[in-house]
Amino acid sequence: KNEVEQSPQNLTAQEGEFITINCSYSVGISALHWLQQHPGGGIVSLFMLSSGKKKHGRLIATINIQEKHSSLHITASHPRDSAVYICAALSSSNTGKLIFGQGTTLQVKP
Amino acid sequence: ETGVTQTPRHLVMGMTNKKSLKCEQHLGHNAMYWYKQSAKKPLELMFVYSLEERVENNSVPSRFSPECPNSSHLFLHLHTLQPEDSALYLCASSQHRDSRALHFGNGTRLTVT
Repeated sequence: KNEVEQSPQNLTAQEGEFITINCSYSVGISALHWLQQHPGGGIVSLFMLSSGKKKHGRLIATINIQEKHSSLHITASHPRDSAVYICAALSSSNTGKLIFGQGTTLQVKP
Repeated sequence: ETGVTQTPRHLVMGMTNKKSLKCEQHLGHNAMYWYKQSAKKPLELMFVYSLEERVENNSVPSRFSPECPNSSHLFLHLHTLQPEDSALYLCASSQHRDSRALHFGNGTRLTVT
């Protein structure tokens, strides 16, 4: 079992739908990243958070440290949101490693 | 433009070839990373360089050989690869080894035939 698990693995939505991607982790962390990877391969950092909630445009990320769970929400989804979304936990151990989830492939249909 | 540039974007090589992947960052960062992303698997950290010194090698086979000539450039030299080495190879950089924010390149899609 991975230390960082995402669900669902694949998600298909209609344009305009509200989307939620979940991330659970089993290690102690100092921060959690949400990353977006487009079909070309490049990865862009969306959020880095260690508590509470962050919002940027139509994207919202939340984290519950006690429950070791984070969610990424997309409101009013659009086909250009189609990508792989990756959760990555920054370990709070001395190594400070990033532990990646396996990613969630999102397709938004027009 | 991410500030981290990888070349080539795509590479097809035979098992007996020798090739190199290049990564260049224009962000003034001191740490650089090589990651491997295989289909349907989480990103795997391969190597970490901090101030041009290799500080981490995650049990990567010797057919992958990294080189960091200066803090802006990182190479991954490839020789006698196997078909299972086919993957997306991503370079990243951060301000320091312990920095939380990583900046990724667009990756090199490698196919070993």
